[in-house]
Amino acid sequence: GAVVSQHPSRVICKSGTSVKIECRSLDFQATTMFWYRQFPKQSLMLMATSNEGSKATYEQGVEKDKFLINHASLTLSTLTVTSAHPEDSSFYICSARRGGGTDTQYFGPGTRLTVL
Amino acid sequence: AQKITQTQPGMFVQEKEAVTLDCTYDTSDPSYGLFWYKQPSSGEMIFLIYQGSYDQQNATEGRYSLNFQKARKSANLVISASQLGDSAMYFCAMREGGSEKLVFGKGTKLTVNP
Repeated sequence: GAVVSQHPSRVICKSGTSVKIECRSLDFQATTMFWYRQFPKQSLMLMATSNEGSKATYEQGVEKDKFLINHASLTLSTLTVTSAHPEDSSFYICSARRGGGTDTQYFGPGTRLTVL
Repeated sequence: AQKITQTQPGMFVQEKEAVTLDCTYDTSDPSYGLFWYKQPSSGEMIFLIYQGSYDQQNATEGRYSLNFQKARKSANLVISASQLGDSAMYFCAMREGGSEKLVFGKGTKLTVNP
């Protein structure tokens, strides 16, 4: 299957700092990438849809100024958690949509963010 | 109303046995896709199998097969010859025709016993 990488896999930061998470599609071009958040023992919650070259579309209740998304190229999207607080601690996972055929979303390995 | 329902929070199966994980969906769109993903304890989401609403045959991928019953709006995942490495969370998801988004169920935790 398609490969999506995510970096870093784990990050611990102090409250008030900003954290950037990268999502890359390694063997295909992704015009659309998605960012999800997952709390322990819960399902994935879509935060935003990221389209290359345009502004991200945020889901209801997700603060766009808090979670900055940049989809700079067909293989890279970044999520920046600005002024992180302990309640932002979570598992963040991205996916990249591979067009054609089944139009499947392939997921990165996720980033576990802990804000102290 | 929930679009994807997985009624089994947890399932247990003996190694080498088959197991069925249930998934029902709700949509009025005639065009949709159904997906199953596996999430081991490491956290990554692994794509397993896809079924399109217009597909005439049930999807199969190795030991995974999808029991697609359109009239009942169910898309159960069948894992044959379970292995210890199959222990994980399993999520059913749907994408409706006009949308790019996936809607996920709450997941089923599968435990394979030796």
